Amino acid sequence: KAGVTQTPRYLIKTRGQQVTLSCSPISGHRSVSWYQQTPGQGLQFLFEYFSETQRNKGNFPGRFSGRQFSNSRSEMNVSTLELGDSALYLCASRKDRGGDRTDTQYFGPGTRLTVL
Amino acid sequence: KQEVTQIPAALSVPEGENLVLNCSFTDSAIYNLQWFRQDPGKGLTSLLLIQSSQREQTSGRLNASLDKSSGRSTLYIAASQPGDSATYLCAVWGSGGSYIPTFGRGTSLIVHP
Repeated sequence: KAGVTQTPRYLIKTRGQQVTLSCSPISGHRSVSWYQQTPGQGLQFLFEYFSETQRNKGNFPGRFSGRQFSNSRSEMNVSTLELGDSALYLCASRKDRGGDRTDTQYFGPGTRLTVL
Repeated sequence: KQEVTQIPAALSVPEGENLVLNCSFTDSAIYNLQWFRQDPGKGLTSLLLIQSSQREQTSGRLNASLDKSSGRSTLYIAASQPGDSATYLCAVWGSGGSYIPTFGRGTSLIVHP
């Protein structure tokens, strides 16, 4: 069974640009969450999508947005990149059948974003 | 606001030792707690998930306990091996009625032969 996949794995952008990251969850998983990991702030929750709807949102500015497609694949977009957006962006998926939120979350390998 | 603290921040031990990693959280209104390991530059691997109604979970050499009332969890690693070297992260889901996860900063573990 394939795990969570993220593309691209590495990305270099310059300040002011925008970027889109992609995540394919494990087959049958309906919930997709995004996280930002930096040495300074650790691992922080960005948002969660379920059935193409944003269900939860962390404390990040509106420059960070996402969406989920009908096949549960998800994309995350960051507009007007800042130097501080350099981080490892992780995607995770859960089955979440019938609204069960107590199941295990599985993480992808991450996308390493460097903003110059 | 939920806060998660992990102690110690770093640990270096010889192979074969039994280890205890600690995780504490400030708001006991959680849905569940999950322990992960992260290898350098990689994603997280789930180790154990403890639901709020449970007291402990075991998988192989790993045992995790949860005491919601005191806001604490411990991860016990028996007979440590060099392959256990990684950063161990604790995360809690749910606080104040929401289902937003909060992660600790992790314990960096080195097991030397």
